Amino acid sequence: DAGITQSPRHKVTETGTPVTLRCHQTENHRYMYWYRQDPGHGLRLIHYSYGVKDTDKGEVSDGYSVSRSKTEDFLLTLESATSSQTSVYFCAIKAPSGNTIYFGEGSWLTVV
Amino acid sequence: QKEVEQDPGPLSVPEGAIVSLNCTYSNSAFQYFMWYRQYSRKGPELLMYTYSSGNKEDGRFTAQVDKSSKYISLFIRDSQPSDSATYLCAMTPGNYGQNFVFGPGTRLSVLP
Repeated sequence: DAGITQSPRHKVTETGTPVTLRCHQTENHRYMYWYRQDPGHGLRLIHYSYGVKDTDKGEVSDGYSVSRSKTEDFLLTLESATSSQTSVYFCAIKAPSGNTIYFGEGSWLTVV
Repeated sequence: QKEVEQDPGPLSVPEGAIVSLNCTYSNSAFQYFMWYRQYSRKGPELLMYTYSSGNKEDGRFTAQVDKSSKYISLFIRDSQPSDSATYLCAMTPGNYGQNFVFGPGTRLSVLP
């Protein structure tokens, strides 16, 4: 158990509405990530954080923003949800030793 | 060309078979290599982690890295129905950019 909790786990929302997904860790790790997973594309990095208030863009950051005001929480916001953002979103943390990351259980988002 | 390519599958084998899962990559900077197992509607779970070229064994699983060929493999001996899952390869240069790149995954079914 990597000590990662994602919420909500499932959400259906309408096009144009803002949506925030939350990732909470109990391990106090520095690095946190948001990925989306889609058939044929695998896991793609949206944004990551390397500390409180320190974030950077990933491969597919358009339409997403993040915030990290506390070490334990990393929020992903879809500013105006579109159908192309229907996906499974995974939060991950990097262990301080070794170069591996550990994933949460995922948040299933459907934009209708 | 994608940065990491993986046999898409699906792959079906009888129980007890030896399974070989493979990934190729193009970025010679990758130094750390991982295999994740992902059950349906779950988050990816770290299975194996290796650094640079060579083999690593853990129970029925063997991870093999050939950096000269930019090729990594995961072997599963005496495969079990519980091994039925999607297997993702992942890799990173290991620098502070924390760029973890994933293959699209291979779906494996082990038939009793």
